[in-house]
Amino acid sequence: EIVLTQSPGTLSLSPGERATLSCRASQRVPTSYVAWYQQRPGQTPRLLIYGASSRANGIPDRFSGSGSGTDFTLSISRLEPEDFAVYYCHQYGTSAGTFGPGTKVEIK
Amino acid sequence: QLQLQESGPGLMKPSETLSLTCNVSGGSINSGRHHWGWIRQPPGKGLEWIGSIYYSGTTFYNPSLKSRVTISVDTAENQFSLKLSAVTAADMAVYYCATSIRGFTPGAGFYFDNWGQGTLVPVSS
Repeated sequence: EIVLTQSPGTLSLSPGERATLSCRASQRVPTSYVAWYQQRPGQTPRLLIYGASSRANGIPDRFSGSGSGTDFTLSISRLEPEDFAVYYCHQYGTSAGTFGPGTKVEIK
Repeated sequence: QLQLQESGPGLMKPSETLSLTCNVSGGSINSGRHHWGWIRQPPGKGLEWIGSIYYSGTTFYNPSLKSRVTISVDTAENQFSLKLSAVTAADMAVYYCATSIRGFTPGAGFYFDNWGQGTLVPVSS
């Protein structure tokens, strides 16, 4: 099983700042099949990124994904108030996909 | 616009079998465009994929739950279902249904595009 570690656990930033979230895998993720989801409090997870860097339908271009191998990054160029949420990375390169524990982006 | 809605029993007792149904609207479950999946999230914790199914009935399960899980599809009713046997307190979670998009390479798993609102399943004696 590929174990995903996300850092930091909590990121305290102000609106307008740039957020950089890290996801590290315990072994190489085949085909860089990594997705990122946003979950606002009390809401359903929302797909942001798939295939490490492809934005899902309707996702603003301030969200971008990058990485390969074992290291992946989600960047939010300028934080909007609605971006303060928990973000999960997810690898689906193996048949039993796994999720990271999440990074909470909170208002500083 | 594809919409998914979970329905289920509410409170479960340990050792019972959990049964949930996901009703799909705004599209046909047998379109072949998606697989259909179940994901769960214990209160205050992270996400766990349970399993996915294609409209043909082909199933894919998380090995950690495989011995207790059955996922089925009813194309006539445009819905798919989850059964989880012998529940314990550890199975208490919000259960989501979602469209599952499979990676193209052999052996790849799924990511999840369109999610239902989720249903909380408490487990208590």
